[in-house]
Amino acid sequence: SQQGEEDPQALSIQEGENATMNCSYKTSINNLQWYRQNSGRGLVHLILIRSNEREKHSGRLRVTLDTSKKSSSLLITASRAADTASYFCATDVYNFNKFYFGSGTKLNVKP
Amino acid sequence: DGGITQSPKYLFRKEGQNVTLSCEQNLNHDAMYWYRQDPGQGLRLIYYSQIVNDFQKGDIAEGYSVSREKKESFPLTVTSAQKNPTAFYLCASSISRTGELFFGEGSRLTVL
Repeated sequence: SQQGEEDPQALSIQEGENATMNCSYKTSINNLQWYRQNSGRGLVHLILIRSNEREKHSGRLRVTLDTSKKSSSLLITASRAADTASYFCATDVYNFNKFYFGSGTKLNVKP
Repeated sequence: DGGITQSPKYLFRKEGQNVTLSCEQNLNHDAMYWYRQDPGQGLRLIYYSQIVNDFQKGDIAEGYSVSREKKESFPLTVTSAQKNPTAFYLCASSISRTGELFFGEGSRLTVL
């Protein structure tokens, strides 16, 4: 499969702690994106990192990309109960006109 | 407000019936996509379209059909040939092939 795969599948933390999720993929990519999905809702784009970038920040989010290891990580700092959701990585595979999604990390932030 | 509208939000179908899910966007995006999501799983691509009057099969196109007669519309028909259609269906669009995806709120189809 060319899909990204997130790790861990589920993560439970206390409010204020940091949450780290990882994504691994198999083939060369143009970019990698992270999305958030609240239960029963559509996905919301969080951040895009291109294959020639190594790190990107957006508010409390920090994304890293290591193309040599074919992996990315999403760090949410100072988590809040409202961050409770599923988080997915999506890879834009080189030479394909489509995005591949992993199975997601379900994050539960306890107040 | 610009965005993607999916309808209906909930749909019940009897076995053997075809159903059509609507997806409309007013973002002026060229590319549109249909994904299927099963409980606790990621998204799987059904069909996608990069331009009007053109579309390609995704990874799980069997039992589904689409049309792209207008830039803003990309309806998905779940046919009776789809063996296990109960799922959450998500429509998305993007301004370019490599841009971020904008998603609708989804349509939940249940086969009775």
